This record gives sequence, C-alpha cells and structure tokens, in this order.
Amino acid sequence: NAGVTQTPKFQVLKTGQSMTLQCAQDMNHNSMYWYRQDPGMGLRLIYYSASEGTTDKGEVPNGYNVSRLNKREFSLRLESAAPSQTSVYFCASRPRRGTGGGEAFFGQGTRLTVV
Amino acid sequence: DQQVKQNSPSLSVQEGRISILNCDYTNSMFDYFLWYKKYPAEGPTFLISISSIKDKNEDGRFTVFLNKSAKHLSLHIVPSQPGDSAVYFCAASDHTDKLIFGTGTRLQVFP
Repeated sequence: NAGVTQTPKFQVLKTGQSMTLQCAQDMNHNSMYWYRQDPGMGLRLIYYSASEGTTDKGEVPNGYNVSRLNKREFSLRLESAAPSQTSVYFCASRPRRGTGGGEAFFGQGTRLTVV
Repeated sequence: DQQVKQNSPSLSVQEGRISILNCDYTNSMFDYFLWYKKYPAEGPTFLISISSIKDKNEDGRFTVFLNKSAKHLSLHIVPSQPGDSAVYFCAASDHTDKLIFGTGTRLQVFP
C-alpha cells in the first residue's frame, strides 16, 4: 500500500519554464491537497479538491493551476516558474468528512528550485 | 491573513517533563482540528485530532485540548522523550474540507 506518491522528488527549473508535479493516492480518498512549505511560513495551502471534478483555491494559489484528473490523481502545474516558487511541495489526501478518521496523509514532498 | 497561528517558533523541554504546544485560530467555521509531527525531509505525519464537539482527546502520551470560546487549542506531551524532537503543526478544517496549517513549533527535548 503506497499511500500518497509524489513525482518527481527533486527538480531544478529555469525562470519561465513550466512543469507539472504529479500526485497519486491509492486510499480511495475524496479530498486532495497541495501545500508548499517555506522556512518560517509553515505549510500553506495552494489548492485543494474536495471531490473528483472540483477544485478550490487555498491561501496562496497565484502562479499555480491544478487538475483533479480522477479520484486518484491531483496534479499541480507551474506555467511560468519564478524564483519565489522555490519551495518544498507536499501533496495530501483525506477521506470524506463523516466517513471516519479525518486525518490527511502526506506524500514525501517535491523539492523544487527555480533559478 | 493567517487563520491558524502558532506563536512560539520553538520550545525546549527536558526529557521526562511536559511539553505544551499552543495554537490559535481565527475562523469560527473550523470544526475539526489536528496535530502533525514533521521530521526533516519527510512528509508530516498525523498525531492526534479533536472535533469541535469535544474539549479533550487523549491518545497515550498525547492530549489535545480545545477551548472554542478562546479559539485556542494545545497539545500536551507527557512525558517528553528525545524522539519527540521535531516540528509540530496544528491544522484546522471546515465543512468544505479546506485544511489550513499553522506555521509550526520546533520542539527540542534534551536529556
């Protein structure tokens, strides 16, 4: 049981390049999330998806787009990378409210550097 | 505007004593609260949670207290162990399933 899998684990981009961070979960969870972690800023929510076919903005959505491809997969796209997007990105998934638990499970992270 | 705040960036506690980590929130729509632990180069891992209908939840050495009127929650770790040294995040969720995290508190437990 892999849980939440993020690819790639490391990436270096040049300013202006685009890329997509992939996330997949095998726990049949309804909700999925993308966060970025920066020193002193904690985990900030970029986008989330409460169910297949829906996405909502989080705290810091500017410069990002997301796609909930199906129930398993939730991707994060940087169309034109900027140095300010250098960060560690985490994907998480969570079961539907009321179905027990309520905890979110996280992937191992993607360390992105934009030069 | 930070909806979930952890005002202490760091905490140092002696092994065997109690660690108390605090968290404040501003959004009264939050109804479910969680604590996570994070080691470097790893994803956060779940510790304990509490629903807004309760004021206390206990799991082994970990207890979470919720004071809704003060919009405040705390995590107590008793007794603290060196392996507890990590960054601790509190998080809050509302009916839309939005899940917001605080800025984290780095706990160091020394012998």
